[in-house]
Amino acid sequence: EAQVTQNPRYLITVTGKKLTVTCSQNMNHEYMSWYRQDPGLGLRQIYYSMNVEVTDKGDVPEGYKVSRKEKRNFPLILESPSPNQTSLYFCASSEVSLSTDTQYFGPGTRLTVL
Amino acid sequence: SQKIEQNSEALNIQEGKTATLTCNYTNYSPAYLQWYRQDPGRGPVFLLLIRENEKEKRKERLKVTFDTTLKQSLFHITASQPADSATYLCALRGNAGNMLTFGGGTRLMVKP
Repeated sequence: EAQVTQNPRYLITVTGKKLTVTCSQNMNHEYMSWYRQDPGLGLRQIYYSMNVEVTDKGDVPEGYKVSRKEKRNFPLILESPSPNQTSLYFCASSEVSLSTDTQYFGPGTRLTVL
Repeated sequence: SQKIEQNSEALNIQEGKTATLTCNYTNYSPAYLQWYRQDPGRGPVFLLLIRENEKEKRKERLKVTFDTTLKQSLFHITASQPADSATYLCALRGNAGNMLTFGGGTRLMVKP
C-alpha cells in the first residue's frame, strides 16, 4: 500500500531535549516536505527536499533541521525544542512534475514541549 | 506579500444542498491550485488540481473553478452528504519556486 509513515504519532517532551521525528515513504517520490499545523495559522511549510542531499527552507525553518540521505526517508530534527514548537506535524511526499504536485500526507505527529 | 485566504468561519448546510467554498489569493502567479480534504487529527487528502489555463474541473460530485483575473477558486460539492463534513484546504504553487502554500481551510458541516 502506498503510504507516508511518521513516528512517533504522539510525543510529550521537555524543553531542550533533542528529538527526531521520522518520515518514510514507499512511493519512490523525489519530493518530501515537513509542515506544522497550528490553530488559526493553517499548514506552514518547515523544510522541503527536491531529492537526496537537496534540502531547502520553507516558511518557518527556525529551530528545525532536516536531512535527506536516502530517497525514502526525511527525518525532522529538533535540536533544542521549545514550547512554541508544540504543534501537529505532517510529513508529505510527491513526484516532482510540472503538471502535478499532489502531496501525499502522513498521519501526523502531535508534539507537546513542556 | 503573498496571501491565500479561505473563510475561517464554518459553513453549515443541509444535506442534499450544494456547498460552495472560496479560496482567494493575492500576489501570486499560480501554476496551479489544489484542493484537499482534512478530517480531524488526520493528514490532508488530495481531491482536485486545476491549472492556470483551465476554467473548471470536475470529479464526481466535486467541481472546482479557477478565475485568474479575480484571483479566486471556488470549490463546489453537489448533493452534499453528512460524510462530506470536514475541513477543506486550498493550496497554490507559484510559477517560480517549489513551495506549495496552503490556505487556512474552511470547515464544512453538512447536517442531515
